[in-house]
Amino acid sequence: GAGVSQSPSNKVTEKGKDVELRCDPISGHTALYWYRQSLGQGLEFLIYFQGNSAPDKSGLPSDRFSAERTGGSVSTLTIQRTQQEDSAVYLCASSLVSLAGFSTDTQYFGPGTRLTVL
Amino acid sequence: GQQLNQSPQSMFIQEGEDVSMNCTSSSIFNTWLWYKQDPGEGPVLLIALYKAGELTSNGRLTAQFGITRKDSFLNISASIPSDVGIYFCAGRTYAGNNRKLIWGLGTSLAVNP
Repeated sequence: GAGVSQSPSNKVTEKGKDVELRCDPISGHTALYWYRQSLGQGLEFLIYFQGNSAPDKSGLPSDRFSAERTGGSVSTLTIQRTQQEDSAVYLCASSLVSLAGFSTDTQYFGPGTRLTVL
Repeated sequence: GQQLNQSPQSMFIQEGEDVSMNCTSSSIFNTWLWYKQDPGEGPVLLIALYKAGELTSNGRLTAQFGITRKDSFLNISASIPSDVGIYFCAGRTYAGNNRKLIWGLGTSLAVNP
């Protein structure tokens, strides 16, 4: 498809285990964002990738969270030693970047990965 | 992190009624965006606003960029059941290399047929 895809759609894990969440952005989109959405809450910014620039990691809640983006396309969000408070929907979004270097305003979101930590 | 004040938090209305929601910020924004999130899906952009005072419509939706640049509202006219969902406002400044959107906490809309 032409949209942002995420996998898995649902993930149930035990406390203390590591998890990897995957995001496939829209082809050609150089900007990629990860957000976390807790039940009934807004979007919490986690990390932003733009081309070859150093990622903006200012939203990562702890050093258990990390993300990488290989080849400027697919991104993986890794949560180590998961805790119950990590349970949430993790959303990925991608967008184009204008010639001026700022992302266009339309962020296209994937359907999210629902993570449940038991 | 920084968040926008979005209100109301939730609304329950009758089909056919008009709806109004708004967002305010202590900071000046250069862009205001309104998104809708359906259950189990990611947010989808409804309207983007780029200029203070700008009034933009998209079908039954109308949004305005406040003249102070610190607020925005979204109106939905003649609501229908498929309007159900969570509506988010988001804003952006262009200070430095800031590319991140600042998000409101959402307005949950329920429509009674």
